[in-house]
Amino acid sequence: GAVVSQHPSWVICKSGTSVKIECRSLDFQATTMFWYRQFPKQSLMLMATSNEGSKATYEQGVEKDKFLINHASLTLSTLTVTSAHPEDSSFYICSATWQATYGYTFGSGTRLTVV
Amino acid sequence: GQNIDQPTEMTATEGAIVQINCTYQTSGFNGLFWYQQHAGEAPTFLSYNVLDGLEEKGRFSSFLSRSKGYSYLLLKELQMKDSASYLCAVRDRTNAGKSTFGDGTTLTVKP
Repeated sequence: GAVVSQHPSWVICKSGTSVKIECRSLDFQATTMFWYRQFPKQSLMLMATSNEGSKATYEQGVEKDKFLINHASLTLSTLTVTSAHPEDSSFYICSATWQATYGYTFGSGTRLTVV
Repeated sequence: GQNIDQPTEMTATEGAIVQINCTYQTSGFNGLFWYQQHAGEAPTFLSYNVLDGLEEKGRFSSFLSRSKGYSYLLLKELQMKDSASYLCAVRDRTNAGKSTFGDGTTLTVKP
């Protein structure tokens, strides 16, 4: 089966600093990756769609200058949370589709805590 | 846009059968997915329906009626480890294939 590797699993950072989260598709090529954010006891909220070799498409209300997405290769997409604030503390999850009938394969998620 | 509704919480007994319903409204349906998510973990894929009918996969089955905008996930022979959140997601044909997730149904399995 398809595997998406996401790192780091958890990170604590100081307010005002930046954090980079990486997602790699290990055994398939992911032309598209999706980045989600999930607050406690809430559902997954799509932040942006990452396309290899082009600019990401952001959902309404998501600041593209704050959440920088880079999809430089078919196996790697990164999300950088810039100038993080406590309200950015959340569970960030990437996903990709390797086969239309299989749905998303999710990364293991990154729990970000901004102090 | 898409609108997905599913119950917030359900409780069932170990060994029993439980059905989790999902209703949706979408402008461009291209498949419905069910995912399982344990607390603190990422979701894992359970099932996929794009045509009407029942898809069976071991203890889990999923049903779809496109005309009614309705799906259900059926879990048989419940085990304690089935306690989790179950997410219904609808893929959009017209919007880069992205999926919209329901708020999830938290299932608690009791002994």
